[in-house]
Amino acid sequence: DQQVKQNSPSLSVQEGRISILNCDYTNSMFDYFLWYKKYPAEGPTFLISISSIKDKNEDGRFTVFLNKSAKHLSLHIVPSQPGDSAVYFCAASDRAGNTGKLIFGQGTTLQVKP
Amino acid sequence: EAGVAQSPRYKIIEKRQSVAFWCNPISGHATLYWYQQILGQGPKLLIQFQNNGVVDDSQLPKDRFSAERLKGVDSTLKIQPAKLEDSAVYLCASSFWGNSPLHFGNGTRLTVT
Repeated sequence: DQQVKQNSPSLSVQEGRISILNCDYTNSMFDYFLWYKKYPAEGPTFLISISSIKDKNEDGRFTVFLNKSAKHLSLHIVPSQPGDSAVYFCAASDRAGNTGKLIFGQGTTLQVKP
Repeated sequence: EAGVAQSPRYKIIEKRQSVAFWCNPISGHATLYWYQQILGQGPKLLIQFQNNGVVDDSQLPKDRFSAERLKGVDSTLKIQPAKLEDSAVYLCASSFWGNSPLHFGNGTRLTVT
């Protein structure tokens, strides 16, 4: 039962262009969503989050969009840089349940070409 | 601020042997998590502690996996006996309180042969 899905295993973009990573979820109880970035041999690092009361959250080059009716969120990186090359995980939680437990997607490997 | 510390970084064992992983969370973080990440998949929660009490261990294979968090700080995760399918990266994470973003350690890569 995959509650959080990232259907694109990989994405390749040119430096300076926009990277768009997508994530779908099935559990309507999820009310908090996060993106993590992971480099090889390191643990995931928190990137950006969004609460279900918002539809957009921006932090520098990173913007997360949430479409609750479609149960879909996306991460936009503009402009993309070679240092952004990593695996990106979408995660979701039921904050109202107050456990902090995160359910992760399978990850999307982003390659930004110079 | 020191990050989440895990050891060892790598471990290779034969099936049916036992292994233990150690985690020291960020100081002051009450919530501690152990995740299992199999190659090509996202991290999957094994167990969550709030201080030294278990909040969620519904996905922990309790016939072979055990975890403890004595004194509400450090934690150990044990596998006994190991199976081939336990080969994965075991990630420890902590958070200040239940709903704040998780901070992950670099993980322990376990290979079971």
